[in-house]
Amino acid sequence: DIQLTQSPSSMSASLGDRVSLTCQSSQGIGNYLSWYQHKPGKPPKPMIYYATNLADGVPSRFSGSRSGSDYSLTISSLESEDTAIYYCLQYDEYPYTFGAGTKLELK
Amino acid sequence: EVQLVESGGGLVQPGRSLKLSCLASGFTFSNYGMNWIRQAPGKGLEWVASISSSSSYIYYADTVKGRFTISRDNAKNTLYLQMTSLRSEDTALYYCARGEVQDWGQGVMVTVSS
Repeated sequence: DIQLTQSPSSMSASLGDRVSLTCQSSQGIGNYLSWYQHKPGKPPKPMIYYATNLADGVPSRFSGSRSGSDYSLTISSLESEDTAIYYCLQYDEYPYTFGAGTKLELK
Repeated sequence: EVQLVESGGGLVQPGRSLKLSCLASGFTFSNYGMNWIRQAPGKGLEWVASISSSSSYIYYADTVKGRFTISRDNAKNTLYLQMTSLRSEDTALYYCARGEVQDWGQGVMVTVSS
């Protein structure tokens, strides 16, 4: 099975900071990687699909990138509403696998 | 607007069965593969099962293979998850999700406990 390793597992940042979250794949998955924002009591919200594509309605301060087997979700200027757990998902092959998540908090 | 509404959850004893449903609207259901994904209390997200648009291809996580069955009725725009031999570790919020997991329902809670 493909393993996705997210780092860091948690972090705190200040309003306006540039924040980057990473997801490393154990095998090649092409660009078949999505990012989700998960807040308590709500379903996960798609943020990025196919590694670099912004999902509908997602603010432009979010972006996705890829370097080899490393995938990143970047927030250019952190806002308070961005505090959440962020998960990556590979959908290149079954079984689909999620990363363990990164908890993002405000400093 | 895509809507996915799960139902059928509840409290069930270990070893018993439960069937979840996911009613879809706002898109042509028969054109999309569908998925079940779960989140145990305090844990991360876990993919459970997927089914192709015509039910030709079905995949399961090893943790549920042989116990859970995913199915769909395209005439009723409904996705199902039949869960048997339930265990305490199956306790989770179960979500249905469309296609390449780009649309999610609100989720339905399943609690397995005596």
